[in-house]
Amino acid sequence: SQQGEEDPQALSIQEGENATMNCSYKTSINNLQWYRQNSGRGLVHLILIRSNEREKHSGRLRVTLDTSKKSSSLLITASRAADTASYFCATGRRAGGTSYGKLTFGQGTILTVHP
Amino acid sequence: DGGITQSPKYLFRKEGQNVTLSCEQNLNHDAMYWYRQDPGQGLRLIYYSQIVNDFQKGDIAEGYSVSREKKESFPLTVTSAQKNPTAFYLCASKIAGISYNEQFFGPGTRLTVL
Repeated sequence: SQQGEEDPQALSIQEGENATMNCSYKTSINNLQWYRQNSGRGLVHLILIRSNEREKHSGRLRVTLDTSKKSSSLLITASRAADTASYFCATGRRAGGTSYGKLTFGQGTILTVHP
Repeated sequence: DGGITQSPKYLFRKEGQNVTLSCEQNLNHDAMYWYRQDPGQGLRLIYYSQIVNDFQKGDIAEGYSVSREKKESFPLTVTSAQKNPTAFYLCASKIAGISYNEQFFGPGTRLTVL
């Protein structure tokens, strides 16, 4: 089964509004990352938060991590039409064994920002 | 410019044929990965390689094979044993080492079985 589960599956908002996406996972992690994918393209790394961090900011992005609840959220503030894309969370497990370096991706949230 | 290239962008295969997808990177990354993405789904790991001449199976390796003869190249072969190969295939790479976690992705290859 997927390590990451995201909700909502789809989100439709107006330009200027904030968009919040959530990700839950099942096993212990070393880090959690968020990626963006425009339709039919490769993924682009947005932000990484380590398991000992609770919140991180990058421009209009804010990521939180709650390891006790095994969940993370991505907030995009003041959204723009150009933010329209699919957003994926990916978890990296603790080093050691065969899991080292691997990421496990959630199913993604499709964000549509209307002008 | 540094980056990851995948070719071809679109690939059509007849049933029973093997096809090879190319992935090349000039980022000097040690680790490389192959993922499969189905419509409306996340990415699933097929194979990965941490170093030249070494690779490991991911979660869905059956029907696929890889080689890692050069640091910059990690080709994926989709064999006739893969029963449902139509999908979007993504290659990624990263710096090896526990401190480096971000993966860099290529633009993908869309494979369609006719």
